[in-house]
Amino acid sequence: QLQLQESGPGLVKPSETLSLTCTVSGGSISSSSYYWGWIRQPPGKGLEWIGSIYYSGSTYYNPSLKSRVTISVDTSKNQFSLKLSSVTAADTAVYYCARPYPLRLHGSYYYYMDVWGKGTTVTVSS
Amino acid sequence: DIQMTQSPSSLSASVGDRVTITCRASQSISSYLNWYQQKPGKAPKLLIYAASSLQSGVPSRFSGSGSGTDFTLTISSLQPEDFATYYCQQSYSTPQITFGQGTRLEIK
Repeated sequence: QLQLQESGPGLVKPSETLSLTCTVSGGSISSSSYYWGWIRQPPGKGLEWIGSIYYSGSTYYNPSLKSRVTISVDTSKNQFSLKLSSVTAADTAVYYCARPYPLRLHGSYYYYMDVWGKGTTVTVSS
Repeated sequence: DIQMTQSPSSLSASVGDRVTITCRASQSISSYLNWYQQKPGKAPKLLIYAASSLQSGVPSRFSGSGSGTDFTLTISSLQPEDFATYYCQQSYSTPQITFGQGTRLEIK
C-alpha cells in the first residue's frame, strides 16, 4: 500500500529557505503517468496547492508562489522535495505531500488525491 | 486560474439531517471535481471523485452531483463522525489544481 511521509525542519527563520522531503514507500516514484504534489494549509485556513512534479521531472507551480518554489525528485531514494525560499510568517502552515491518482474514465484522465502524507508543521519565526 | 467557491462557509446541523454543500467553478470543468473531508489535525480524505463517483470505503450516505460549473455534495443522514470540514477541488487543469475555501460542518 502506497504511503507518503513528510520530513524536515519544523522551524525556519524569516528570509531563509524551507526544505521538506516526501518519502514514498509501497510504490515507485518513477511509475509512469503519476504526478507528486505539495499542498499546504495555514493555521485555521484552507488548502493551497503549492506545486507538482511529473514522474518525468516536469514541474508545475502555483503562480502565486512560482518565484520562490522548487520541487525536485530523487528516484534513487524514492523521494521528492520542496524548497520555498525567502519565507515569511505567511508561510507558516502544515505542509502535505500527496499523490494525484490518474483514473482513466470515458477516454480521459481524472486525477484525484487518494494518498496523502500525515502532514508536517512548519513555523516561520526568528 | 480556475477559482472554486463553496457555500456555505459554515453550517450547523443535527445528527440525522440531510445536508447539501455546493461548489461553483469560475469556468466549466466538466466533471473534473473531487470532494474531500478533513478532520482536525488530519490530512484530507477523498470522498468523491469525478463529481459523482464514491471512493472505495466511503459510506453511501455521501453522494456528489453536478457538471460544468455547479456541483453539490450531499450527506443523506448526518452521523456524528461526519462533523468536519469539506473541500471541493477541481482537477480540470491538472496538475494546476485549486480547492474551494472549505465548508465547516458543525453540530447544532
